Order: sequence, then structure tokens, then C-alpha cells
Amino acid sequence: DAGVIQSPRHEVTEMGQEVTLRCKPISGHNSLFWYRQTMMRGLELLIYFNNNVPIDDSGMPEDRFSAKMPNASFSTLKIQPSEPRDSAVYFCASSRQGFSGYTFGSGTRLTVV
Amino acid sequence: DAKTTQPPSMDCAEGRAANLPCNHSTISGNEYVYWYRQIHSQGPQYIIHGLKNNETNEMASLIITEDRKSSTLILPHATLRDTAVYYCIVRVDNAGNMLTFGGGTRLMVKP
Repeated sequence: DAGVIQSPRHEVTEMGQEVTLRCKPISGHNSLFWYRQTMMRGLELLIYFNNNVPIDDSGMPEDRFSAKMPNASFSTLKIQPSEPRDSAVYFCASSRQGFSGYTFGSGTRLTVV
Repeated sequence: DAKTTQPPSMDCAEGRAANLPCNHSTISGNEYVYWYRQIHSQGPQYIIHGLKNNETNEMASLIITEDRKSSTLILPHATLRDTAVYYCIVRVDNAGNMLTFGGGTRLMVKP
């Protein structure tokens, strides 16, 4: 079991550019979560999917953020256009539906300059 | 989900037991207690969870009081690698299983 795989590990981009973060959940897990972590705000849930369907996106900060899950083995979080305040570590996690024992990926550290 | 209260930081000597408390006085009957930890620069890691009985696994033990208003995570023989932020979370399973992380307890294991 390779765990939850996120890419890239680090991303540095200029303000205004589009950023795409990727996540491969654990096979057989049908819930997927995107979190963002900053020193000021801690861990924040952005959006989560059950069986590839977005269930709650109330944590998505604004329309510049979008997330998709085209199939059970892949999800993306896109920021367009990016801003310096989007700089954070973005984590993806997966679990079996109904069980809150998540497995987190190693995160993507995003820096927008 | 019920709110939890944890001390912001704790120290523990290497090799000794680390006892991390969590208060959840408003917990309801169908809410579980979950514990996660986050080692620096890594994603959070699930440790253990329980409803009302004490639980033990290879990582830790979870002791839940009889009235379920508080719990303690026990790391029986803390090592330097257990230095992390420990999160106590209370929630209902099978109910849109989102987890909301609070501030947690920063455990420092010292040699």
C-alpha cells in the first residue's frame, strides 16, 4: 500500500499563475478530503468527496479555488489565479466512507510570490 | 460535533509514559473520540479512536471516562520520535465524516 500520493511536493509560482495540485487516494477508499494548513489558521477542510461526488465545499475560500475528482483514483485542486495569501501546505486525505480514520498524504507546500 | 479542550503544550521525558488529556464535556451518545498526531512537516496520522470502552493498539491506549466527558491518550514509552502535535476530535461516524482539527497539544519528548 503506497498510501495517499500527492504531487508535487513543493510548488513555487508567481502571483496570477494557475496552480494544480494532484492526489491519488488509497485504492478502495471512497472518501477524499482536501485540507489547507497555515500557521495562522491551522488545518482547514476545503472540500470533500464521497464516491467521486463533491459533498461539501463550504471550506473553499473563494471562486479561485476548484476541485475535481474525475474517477476513484485521482483528484485535483486548482487555484486560478493564485495569490500570495494562498501560500500554505495542502494535504489530501482518504478514508472508507463513514470512518473518520483518515490517511493523509505528505502534502504539497505551495509558495506564491 | 462536540467541542474539545486540550492543553496547548506538554513535556515528557523519553521512556516515560505520556498522558495527553482531552475534555469533551458536551459529547453526545453517538460521538466517537478520535486521536491524530502531526509530526513536523508531515501529514496528520490517525492514532486511535473509541466510543466508550478503553482501546489499545500498537501505537497507544485510549482511556475514556465512564461519563465520556473526558479522555486520555497514553503513549506508554515515549520516544523522541513521538514529539508532535496531538489532536483530539469528537465526531459521529457515518454522518458525512468530515474532521475538524482544533489547536491540539504540542508534546515535546525530551531526552
